[in-house]
Amino acid sequence: NAGVTQTPKFRILKIGQSMTLQCTQDMNHNYMYWYRQDPGMGLKLIYYSVGAGITDKGEVPNGYNVSRSTTEDFPLRLELAAPSQTSVYFCASMFGTEAFFGQGTRLTVV
Amino acid sequence: GQQVMQIPQYQHVQEGEDFTTYCNSSTTLSNIQWYKQRPGGHPVFLIQLVKSGEVKKQKRLTFQFGEAKKNSSLHITATQTTDVGTYFCAGPQGGGTASKLTFGTGTRLQVTL
Repeated sequence: NAGVTQTPKFRILKIGQSMTLQCTQDMNHNYMYWYRQDPGMGLKLIYYSVGAGITDKGEVPNGYNVSRSTTEDFPLRLELAAPSQTSVYFCASMFGTEAFFGQGTRLTVV
Repeated sequence: GQQVMQIPQYQHVQEGEDFTTYCNSSTTLSNIQWYKQRPGGHPVFLIQLVKSGEVKKQKRLTFQFGEAKKNSSLHITATQTTDVGTYFCAGPQGGGTASKLTFGTGTRLQVTL
């Protein structure tokens, strides 16, 4: 089992560019989450999904979009990147009440 | 919406000293989880508490869930340098068993010799 895999690990974007952060899990978990973590801060929920075809907003969804066409994949789309989106992004999947996290994507918007 | 606060934000201890972090939710939680994040790493699940007043131990770590299920604590006895990291509590928002998993603000622990 690879667990939760995020790509890319690092990315630099220019203001106004778009990109998709990929997240895939091979544990057949229904619940998946996207969080962002600013330096020295906690985790803020961006979007989550309770199963294929179902997504919902978290605390900080503005500027992001998600889709969940399969159980395995939960990509996060950034449209029109802004410096305020500079952060580390974590994807997680949940079994029962234990969340498994990916290694994170460090994104810098310049 | 639900808020989950942790205190202190940061604590620096000498190796061998004890450490406690407190987690307080604005709403009643069906369960609470604790995670540890090493510097530069990702959060890793430590434990889940479900029952009111529940106490669980993992070696030097003791976890407690409050009677009202709105607060929790993590106590580390005789800290070691391997305990360095940020400790987060997390709970489901909206009263469900999973759904929106909301993390606390975290407590960063620094341990020096």
